[in-house]
Amino acid sequence: DTEVTQTPKHLVMGMTNKKSLKCEQHMGHRAMYWYKQKAKKPPELMFVYSYEKLSINESVPSRFSPECPNSSLLNLHLHALQPEDSALYLCASSQPGQGASNYGYTFGSGTRLTVV
Amino acid sequence: AQSVTQLGSHVSVSEGALVLLRCNYSSSVPPYLFWYVQYPNQGLQLLLKYTTGATLVKGINGFEAEFKKSETSFHLTKPSAHMSDAAEYFCAVSEGTGFQKLVFGTGTRLLVSP
Repeated sequence: DTEVTQTPKHLVMGMTNKKSLKCEQHMGHRAMYWYKQKAKKPPELMFVYSYEKLSINESVPSRFSPECPNSSLLNLHLHALQPEDSALYLCASSQPGQGASNYGYTFGSGTRLTVV
Repeated sequence: AQSVTQLGSHVSVSEGALVLLRCNYSSSVPPYLFWYVQYPNQGLQLLLKYTTGATLVKGINGFEAEFKKSETSFHLTKPSAHMSDAAEYFCAVSEGTGFQKLVFGTGTRLLVSP
């Protein structure tokens, strides 16, 4: 299994809602990432988990809350979002520290989030 | 700090023509370099990567790229464009430590006409 699976594919939420994005991989990767991609822009790193511990938080507002319950799962909890948070949210995984041949992410197909 | 510059936000070619997408990087250490492709409403798919060794790297779908340290470049080429190559292409750089923080260029949209 060489996939990263993200659910849901599309999500519309109000500014007072609480929702969660989910990401799952079964490649044995021990690093997982959340990226945000606005239309016609490159992905921007939000969070990195390495061995289930939060390693990087790129100054993301607290209305985004990541969680890594185990080595295969990564969640992004959303609360009190703003319309400008509407974007494609991408999950990725990789295998850290295993040599150059393993470098490169595997991306999921993303969750298209619309905040109304 | 590492960075990537992609020249040309849009590149248009005819089907069967050579594809050339340009990428220049800046890194204080030997870089790891990547090209990703993104089709509409999809995630990113790895086309190819340079880490160490041979500087001419072959990837999927007939694409290849050459790492030129003297020119700090990693341009993507394909000898003959196909309609299915129309997509957004991102060059990315990593300093190759630990968990691989990737920095992406701004992307180049490839348009292929019949």
